[in-house]
Amino acid sequence: DQQVKQNSPSLSVQEGRISILNCDYTNSMFDYFLWYKKYPAEGPTFLISISSIKDKNEDGRFTVFLNKSAKHLSLHIVPSQPGDSAVYFCAASPGDFGNEKLTFGTGTRLTIIP
Amino acid sequence: DAMVIQNPRYQVTQFGKPVTLSCSQTLNHNVMYWYQQKSSQAPKLLFHYYDKDFNNEADTPDNFQSRRPNTSFCFLDIRSPGLGDAAMYLCATSRGASGVAYNEQFFGPGTRLTVL
Repeated sequence: DQQVKQNSPSLSVQEGRISILNCDYTNSMFDYFLWYKKYPAEGPTFLISISSIKDKNEDGRFTVFLNKSAKHLSLHIVPSQPGDSAVYFCAASPGDFGNEKLTFGTGTRLTIIP
Repeated sequence: DAMVIQNPRYQVTQFGKPVTLSCSQTLNHNVMYWYQQKSSQAPKLLFHYYDKDFNNEADTPDNFQSRRPNTSFCFLDIRSPGLGDAAMYLCATSRGASGVAYNEQFFGPGTRLTVL
């Protein structure tokens, strides 16, 4: 039973345009959501997060939107740059101190076309 | 730079031959995690340590064990590797501090295990 789903295995976007990566979850106990970015031969690196009490969090070119009623979150990258080409993982957690383990999606491979 | 280090980066073992993967951290974090990631799948948590307290996931096979001799080091032991255990093994750490919204996890580069 996959509790965090990224239904698009891959996405190609022209440089300078907006990249939108989507993620759905099923577990209502999830309280904190994160996006990780992974380059080949490297471990995932934290990108941006959002708490369930918010519906939007912005950090530079990266914005995460959360729709709790739809159990859906998305990551927007504007403008997209060639260095953004990577695999992006959505992850969710109950968020309670001492119970912060992450459940990951399967990832979306983003390719930015120059 | 403070970081999470995994050794070796690539490990080849034979079917049934015990293998140990190593993780060390200079972040002085309280919590250390081990994930298994198979090709095109999501990273899957095997277990984690909060300080010396070991927390095993319910579906982690008995074949997988872990040791944390001190704050900095954590080991993943696979007692009898099978072909199905070939995967990327990721180590992660988090501060584990109370009173913050969330303690992000910081990942090492992973060890790719091949079982012949």
